[in-house]
Amino acid sequence: DAGVTQSPTHLIKTRGQHVTLRCSPISGHKSVSWYQQVLGQGPQFIFQYYEKEERGRGNFPDRFSARQFPNYSSELNVNALLLGDSALYLCASSRTAYEQYFGPGTRLTVT
Amino acid sequence: AQSVTQPDIHITVSEGASLELRCNYSYGATPYLFWYVQSPGQGLQLLLKYFSGDTLVQGIKGFEAEFKRSQSSFNLRKPSVHWSDAAEYFCAVGLSNDYKLSFGAGTTVTVRA
Repeated sequence: DAGVTQSPTHLIKTRGQHVTLRCSPISGHKSVSWYQQVLGQGPQFIFQYYEKEERGRGNFPDRFSARQFPNYSSELNVNALLLGDSALYLCASSRTAYEQYFGPGTRLTVT
Repeated sequence: AQSVTQPDIHITVSEGASLELRCNYSYGATPYLFWYVQSPGQGLQLLLKYFSGDTLVQGIKGFEAEFKRSQSSFNLRKPSVHWSDAAEYFCAVGLSNDYKLSFGAGTTVTVRA
């Protein structure tokens, strides 16, 4: 089976712009989670979606939003980008809530 | 406060030597425990997990981890490291009443010839 896929691989944006990141889960997995990993730190939880419903949200501002589609793929949207949003954004899919399998990530650079 | 601590920021080991990475957690209940590995520029790969039962768990790539409730620890071990084990290792914790994973800050492993 294919693993979790994310697009794009890399992205460069300017402060104030908007960005959309995409994730396709492993086939059969109905839950998708998003994490932000700043250089030199562990991943920080942003959102979890299950069956298109938000099931959990981390301590991130409202500029961050997400949704899950009927085919269980997901988008993460970030508005009004700040320099501090530069990070590796990781998507994870799971059959259950806890055993999460991660994609390769999207590297976002905000200039 | 709830936390996951990896006390060692960086460990250097010789190829063929044993490796032990430490992880301590501070939670009211016994959490679900995980170890992930991340190679440079890559996503995270699940090495092993502990939910319940036998406190010594086997994972992929020859890794094992031992859950010690009395010490609130879940240390990762490998008897003989290979150069390909050079990477960053993250301990993660999940709770039954929550859906997120909380990660430690990671331990970078360097393998010298």
